[in-house]
Amino acid sequence: GNSVTQMEGPVTLSEEAFLTINCTYTATGYPSLFWYVQYPGEGLQLLLKATKADDKGSNKGFEATYRKETTSFHLEKGSVQVSDSAVYFCALSGSTTSGTYKYIFGTGTRLKVLA
Amino acid sequence: DAGITQSPRHKVTETGTPVTLRCHQTENHRYMYWYRQDPGHGLRLIHYSYGVKDTDKGEVSDGYSVSRSKTEDFLLTLESATSSQTSVYFCAISEGQSMNTEAFFGQGTRLTVV
Repeated sequence: GNSVTQMEGPVTLSEEAFLTINCTYTATGYPSLFWYVQYPGEGLQLLLKATKADDKGSNKGFEATYRKETTSFHLEKGSVQVSDSAVYFCALSGSTTSGTYKYIFGTGTRLKVLA
Repeated sequence: DAGITQSPRHKVTETGTPVTLRCHQTENHRYMYWYRQDPGHGLRLIHYSYGVKDTDKGEVSDGYSVSRSKTEDFLLTLESATSSQTSVYFCAISEGQSMNTEAFFGQGTRLTVV
């Protein structure tokens, strides 16, 4: 079945450092890929998405490129801020054998940014 | 913000008692999902619905049942709660027209089974 693997955290960085959070996936067909962010005490919210190979999703300085050849969707940001401290989830949306859609999430990576 | 309301937001219950969590949406989205979030496991899909009275199991469905009698409501029932079901439960919705559409999440329900 479909699955998502992302790097374990926590990741601790200083403000203005470069961020990479790795995500790889296993899927049949051509899924859509997402990054969600969860701030303390809240639900998940969409950060960015990419729906086909070589697409780049971007938002709030974060970027991720859909790499079909390496089945990866790594999240990057050039200069993190303290306000980026949160848990980041990689996810895919794919079709099932019955033609429905469901989302599969990774285990989440906690990011802590120090001032 | 997408109109998703989970109730209750917090609940403490005893082992062996039935518990029902409610997810209510005002977006008229076709798909609704129940996930549980546990440390080290991320979000795991319990059940989902792709229309009124149309539901399917996720990866951790044992011990849970769901019902969807109206587009706007998706109920998750623990028939006999166990301590292993202590978790944070999230409801999500999506339009479902294609796999490209994003999912919107509720605020979560923290359930403690003692």
